[in-house]
Amino acid sequence: GAGVSQTPSNKVTEKGKYVELRCDPISGHTALYWYRQSLGQGPEFLIYFQGTGAADDSGLPNDRFFAVRPEGSVSTLKIQRTERGDSAVYLCASSLDRRREQFFGPGTRLTVL
Amino acid sequence: QQQVKQSPQSLIVQKGGISIINCAYENTAFDYFPWYQQFPGKGPALLIAIRPDVSEKKEGRFTISFNKSAKQFSLHIMDSQPGDSATYFCAASDSSNTGKLIFGQGTTLQVKP
Repeated sequence: GAGVSQTPSNKVTEKGKYVELRCDPISGHTALYWYRQSLGQGPEFLIYFQGTGAADDSGLPNDRFFAVRPEGSVSTLKIQRTERGDSAVYLCASSLDRRREQFFGPGTRLTVL
Repeated sequence: QQQVKQSPQSLIVQKGGISIINCAYENTAFDYFPWYQQFPGKGPALLIAIRPDVSEKKEGRFTISFNKSAKQFSLHIMDSQPGDSATYFCAASDSSNTGKLIFGQGTTLQVKP
């Protein structure tokens, strides 16, 4: 499969727990984006990586959210002390660079009970 | 100024008809305008995109019309088919910056057989 993959596809957790969501971008894509999509809404930008560095994290809602991309490929979105309001679909997208088309993964549906 | 406004929220079209979805933006730095199609439980899939150096782009049954002076763009789906029933999102980005996509609120399209 040459597309963006995300794991897990579904994650159910309890309020206050820590979760990690993984994104495998398309091989060779240097730009990687995380978005969050609430029910009935368009995706909202969270963070952008160019290579290994977070070039823009202005969309992260608060300091409970953190993301890494240590080797410039796979990225992990980490959420500490989850809250019910964090429940959403978390989408990852990758592109050759910031000027090119973004291709989305299937998303991880996070449910915080 | 970062908003992209999309209308209508929902649309019902007869098979063979034309579906038209409109978007408006404020940020004149936006220079890339894609449309995404999303089926339930799936990630957004890139449908067609345009840059402001052209006023129209056509790919198969899908056409984007772009009006730079009015800061508006629209998606036309010709000969609409039941398989086109999905949610459509317009988006915009400033590719000279981070390329992060700002999405509209989405339009749910139902094509009746």
